[in-house]
Amino acid sequence: EIVLTQSPGTLSLSPGERATLSCRASQSVSSSYLAWYQQKPGQAPRLLIYGASSRATGIPDRFSGSGSGTDFTLTISRLEPEDFAVYYCQQYGSSPHTFGPGTKVDIK
Amino acid sequence: QVQLVQSGAEVKKPGASVKVSCKASGYTFTSYGISWVRQAPGQGLEWMGWISAYNGNTNYAQKLQGRVTMTTDTSTSTAYMELRSLRSDDTAVYYCARDQRMKAVTSCYDYWGQGTLVTVSS
Repeated sequence: EIVLTQSPGTLSLSPGERATLSCRASQSVSSSYLAWYQQKPGQAPRLLIYGASSRATGIPDRFSGSGSGTDFTLTISRLEPEDFAVYYCQQYGSSPHTFGPGTKVDIK
Repeated sequence: QVQLVQSGAEVKKPGASVKVSCKASGYTFTSYGISWVRQAPGQGLEWMGWISAYNGNTNYAQKLQGRVTMTTDTSTSTAYMELRSLRSDDTAVYYCARDQRMKAVTSCYDYWGQGTLVTVSS
């Protein structure tokens, strides 16, 4: 089973700042099958990034993903008020399709 | 528009079973797989398994093998997840989610149901 580790656990930033979230896998993620989701309280997760770097439909271009192998990054270029949420990475290259523990982005 | 609408909240006693439904609309049901993901209170996301809505193939998380069964009814475009021998640590919100890629060997998930809270308590 591929274990995903996310850092930091919590990121405290102000609107307009840049957010950089990390996701590290215990072994290489095949074909960069790595996704990022955003989840707000009481809501289902929302797909942001798939294939490590492709934005999902309707996702603003301030969200970008990068990385390959075992190290992946989600960057939010300028935080908007609606971006404060929990972010999860998920690998879907091998079964089970594991999720990371999440990074909470909160308002400083 | 694509929608996944799940059944309502359930309260079950330890040892009982629960069956959660996920009714799909707005797309060709048999062209995509459905995964189930759960989230215990205040915790992260846990992948439970996947079912192909086009051929019925399934892939379950090893820790749930023997307790979980995922099925589909193509006549009503509905997916089901049944979990048996419930324990208190099965208390969670259960989500269904549609594969992003059509008839894919593997995929992430682009549409999610609203979630179903299952509470296991004596």
